[in-house]
Amino acid sequence: EAGVAQSPRYKIIEKRQSVAFWCNPISGHATLYWYQQILGQGPKLLIQFQNNGVVDDSQLPKDRFSAERLKGVDSTLKIQPAKLEDSAVYLCASSLYEIYTEAFFGQGTRLTVV
Amino acid sequence: TQLLEQSPQFLSIQEGENLTVYCNSSSVFSSLQWYRQEPGEGPVLLVTVVTGGEVKKLKRLTFQFGDARKDSSLHITAAQPGDTGLYLCAGETGTSYGKLTFGQGTILTVHP
Repeated sequence: EAGVAQSPRYKIIEKRQSVAFWCNPISGHATLYWYQQILGQGPKLLIQFQNNGVVDDSQLPKDRFSAERLKGVDSTLKIQPAKLEDSAVYLCASSLYEIYTEAFFGQGTRLTVV
Repeated sequence: TQLLEQSPQFLSIQEGENLTVYCNSSSVFSSLQWYRQEPGEGPVLLVTVVTGGEVKKLKRLTFQFGDARKDSSLHITAAQPGDTGLYLCAGETGTSYGKLTFGQGTILTVHP
């Protein structure tokens, strides 16, 4: 079974530029998450989709971050304009909720804003 | 907002030693997961516990869920350099199905 795919793996941009990340979840997983992880810390949830609807985006900085999940499958996360403090690893995960949730993560995209 | 606090934040030990990592919260969780993350990779699920008092073993790793389902521990016996990584606990409450809240992690380094 293929895992969660993310691209690109690495991205370096200047502040005030825009950037987009792409995620393809495990086939059949209805729930998709985007997490932000600062080096050495735990992941912080940015947004959670159930199929193509948003379940939770309470911690998404909506003035600069946006995310969509078209047709309930692939998802993109965009930052515009980027700030220095956005430097982090952006992790995509998906899950198949039954009695409880188990998340499967992609390798992440390491973003460096200079 | 439920918070998961992990301790210790850093742990540096010699090969062969035993260790315990703790995950505590004031919230009750319907399930709790432990993940391990290596540099440059995403977290990988190790185990899920759902019943208060539950104990699960995975080779040299023992996971316990507190009776009140507010805390958990991960015990590693005879640690090996391959155990080095970031250990994360994540909880799901009964009112937030599908939403996982992560602790800040424990960075474990096992020296040969």
